Amino acid sequence: QVQLQESGPGLVKPSATLSLTCSVSGGSINTYYWSWIRQSPGKGLEWIGYIYYTGSTNYNPSLKSRVTISVDTSKNQFSLELRSVTAADTAVYFCAREAQQWVRSWFDPWGQGILVTVSS
Amino acid sequence: EIVLTQSPATLSLSPGERATLSCGASQSISSSYLAWYQQKPGLAPRLLIYDVSNRATGIPDRFSGSGSGTYFTLTISRLELEDFAVYYCQQYGSSPLFGGGTKVEI
Repeated sequence: QVQLQESGPGLVKPSATLSLTCSVSGGSINTYYWSWIRQSPGKGLEWIGYIYYTGSTNYNPSLKSRVTISVDTSKNQFSLELRSVTAADTAVYFCAREAQQWVRSWFDPWGQGILVTVSS
Repeated sequence: EIVLTQSPATLSLSPGERATLSCGASQSISSSYLAWYQQKPGLAPRLLIYDVSNRATGIPDRFSGSGSGTYFTLTISRLELEDFAVYYCQQYGSSPLFGGGTKVEI
């Protein structure tokens, strides 16, 4: 079955850019919507944004000015860039696929998550 | 912009008891686009329910979802030890959104 794996630095300096990649195995990135979701320590889940395999995107308005999500179908992976980070961006970052092809749907499966700490 | 409010924030129950978790939306959620997830410490959320009332693959039938419009409920008929966790509702569609979560504790 499809598995997702986040990768990237676990420590990012304030004002720098957080960059993460989600590698998809066991299935194709085509025909699905792919999202980044984060969870600050001890807090709830926050959707960051999604990308469709065609490259179309939609972002959470609260983060839109700082976020770029891109897809590389040849590598079966998609990526997150979050610019000008502060301590408030410290969180576990999850990648997830929407369950149904072609249409918007619930998140399943999820990656295991990666903790990113913003600190000098 | 839709806001999802989950209540209560914490539910203290014993194994074998019934748990009823609520998710209220500030605007009607169209097309039954509501899901429920369970999350345990250190793990990713696990899908329980989609389209308001459909159990995901492998989810025991003690979990059930109901509701429409602006009010939704997740019911766990008889709590087992592995059910003590945090539960999130989520509306999907153009801009996915999660509720704040309900912690079910022993």
